[in-house]
Amino acid sequence: GAVVSQHPSRVICKSGTSVKIECRSLDFQATTMFWYRQFPKKSLMLMATSNEGSKATYEQGVEKDKFLINHASLTLSTLTVTSAHPEDSSFYICSAGGGLAGFRAKNIQYFGAGTRLSVL
Amino acid sequence: QKEVEQNSGPLSVPEGAIASLNCTYSDRGSQSFFWYRQYSGKSPELIMSIYSNGDKEDGRFTAQLNKASQYVSLLIRDSQPSDSATYLCAVNMIADSSYKLIFGSGTRLLVRP
Repeated sequence: GAVVSQHPSRVICKSGTSVKIECRSLDFQATTMFWYRQFPKKSLMLMATSNEGSKATYEQGVEKDKFLINHASLTLSTLTVTSAHPEDSSFYICSAGGGLAGFRAKNIQYFGAGTRLSVL
Repeated sequence: QKEVEQNSGPLSVPEGAIASLNCTYSDRGSQSFFWYRQYSGKSPELIMSIYSNGDKEDGRFTAQLNKASQYVSLLIRDSQPSDSATYLCAVNMIADSSYKLIFGSGTRLLVRP
């Protein structure tokens, strides 16, 4: 399968700081990237869909000013958690899809390793 | 009604047995179906994709799809302790053609040595 790199894997920060998470598709051009959030023992919750060169589409209930998404190139998307608070502590996972022949039509998504954010 | 439903488990099977994981979905227009495996503290890993009715086999894994019944399953033959993980069923939603997937809450599988 395709390789998606996510960095950093773990972040511990103070309340009020901003945290940037990077997601890179290493061996294919991802026209679409997705950002998920997962709480312990819960399933993935889609936060937003990001298409290269356009604004992200946020899911209902997700604050776009809180979670800034940039998809400037076909291989890089970033999620910035602004003014993080303890309730933002979670496991954030990106996935990439589209671009590779057949993937777009087949809706395949490949996941990064995830970023565990802890806000003190 | 949840869009993708799975039994949360845990499903406990002895080593060497067949593990059967089930998933139902609500959108009759869905065309892409996936099984992901997620180990504790890790991100999901794609195991199987299936798009047509019937069975699709890959090694010890077999995915089964029945669109009329809106049902997709995953069989794991010769289960190993290393198969112990949470298995997520994912289905595409075509309502807005955004290629997004909807995930079930996952079934936790325990394979006893």
